[in-house]
Amino acid sequence: EAQVTQNPRYLITVTGKKLTVTCSQNMNHEYMSWYRQDPGLGLRQIYYSMNVEVTDKGDVPEGYKVSRKEKRNFPLILESPSPNQTSLYFCASSNNRGGGRETQYFGPGTRLLVL
Amino acid sequence: QKEVEQNSGPLSVPEGAIASLNCTYSDRGSQSFFWYRQYSGKSPELIMFIYSNGDKEDGRFTAQLNKASQYVSLLIRDSQPSDSATYLCAVVRSGGYNKLIFGAGTRLAVHP
Repeated sequence: EAQVTQNPRYLITVTGKKLTVTCSQNMNHEYMSWYRQDPGLGLRQIYYSMNVEVTDKGDVPEGYKVSRKEKRNFPLILESPSPNQTSLYFCASSNNRGGGRETQYFGPGTRLLVL
Repeated sequence: QKEVEQNSGPLSVPEGAIASLNCTYSDRGSQSFFWYRQYSGKSPELIMFIYSNGDKEDGRFTAQLNKASQYVSLLIRDSQPSDSATYLCAVVRSGGYNKLIFGAGTRLAVHP
């Protein structure tokens, strides 16, 4: 089954404790992206990756890091989480044929609470 | 001004009625437009995409695009309680691959 998976699905942590949210896709997609979703603000892009070893900032990258060492995986790293990073996080992937017509497939989401 | 604007709702319609969801965008160069449905606590799922001016129909859903007015809409005919969800409008920002910009979403409630 074609899918995007994320782990963990739920996470409660404390300020300053480094954490990683994993994302994996089995569709051989080149493009992967991380979003956060907050009430009233919709989905905002944090980082994206066009392919292995190619990453770039989205609209809200502060406080986050990513890496893309393999095509299927795109982990999101919070080096020193703060309460304002409490949010619902989604990973997404799509083909990268260009033209802006690619459908993005979303993972199930990770709900993060930073105390 | 937000890049993609939607009325947050809730939009309440009776079962069987037509639900009309609207979206405006600010990037005049945008060429690709998407509607996603998101149930509470779940991930967004694609309903429709539209690239050309006019209407595009898929089952009970019709997407309408007017680039001159920078306006996209989604009509849901014969609304069902199972259509109750938040509908997200997304626009590809011009000049960037896959650079999807989302509106905050409109919550739709279909009551029996």
